[in-house]
Amino acid sequence: AQSVAQPEDQVNVAEGNPLTVKCTYSVSGNPYLFWYVQYPNRGLQFLLKYITGDNLVKGSYGFEAEFNKSQTSFHLKKPSALVSDSALYFCAVRASNYNQGGKLIFGQGTELSVKP
Amino acid sequence: ETGVTQTPRHLVMGMTNKKSLKCEQHLGHNAMYWYKQSAKKPLELMFVYSLEERVENNSVPSRFSPECPNSSHLFLHLHTLQPEDSALYLCASSQSRAGTNQETQYFGPGTRLLVL
Repeated sequence: AQSVAQPEDQVNVAEGNPLTVKCTYSVSGNPYLFWYVQYPNRGLQFLLKYITGDNLVKGSYGFEAEFNKSQTSFHLKKPSALVSDSALYFCAVRASNYNQGGKLIFGQGTELSVKP
Repeated sequence: ETGVTQTPRHLVMGMTNKKSLKCEQHLGHNAMYWYKQSAKKPLELMFVYSLEERVENNSVPSRFSPECPNSSHLFLHLHTLQPEDSALYLCASSQSRAGTNQETQYFGPGTRLLVL
């Protein structure tokens, strides 16, 4: 069965410091991995995804994520956090094997708070 | 974010009311989704429509009834809801291709539903 874990409910970072939001996954075969961000009273916005190729994926707003197959992780990172990055972040995984259905499974979300 | 629109943005209804949520996508996609987002829980996939056919129904109670009249519009008809149905209901769309699970889902802003 597919699953996603975001081990931290909340991450607090000072503005200008690097940030990491953690995600681990479990899926049969190769995964497709996604990060979304949700600002208050808004829907989910797509940030980036890993399908294949380079393990370091660059996305919107200066975010990047690193796929680590041995650790089954896909942590979201940004070198220098902004107060405006404060939001709820969701990791999601999907099996690459089309015959397994392809349902997108979301983690429970991590609340990122960036203080000035 | 204007690629997927949802109306109304907020809805308060009594348990005996009948109401409908509307979603419209302007991205030329062929698949649409309803998700339920409750506090402190992962997103729950409710329904999937691909090429206007319902392809997934995740054991959702019959008081929720989806309708997809064409590839751009998706409705969620609500009747005799319970207070525990209060949540943010998110619509999403994607361009589904046979044989691949790579596509990205794009979300609307959601309808915040309160059942009294």
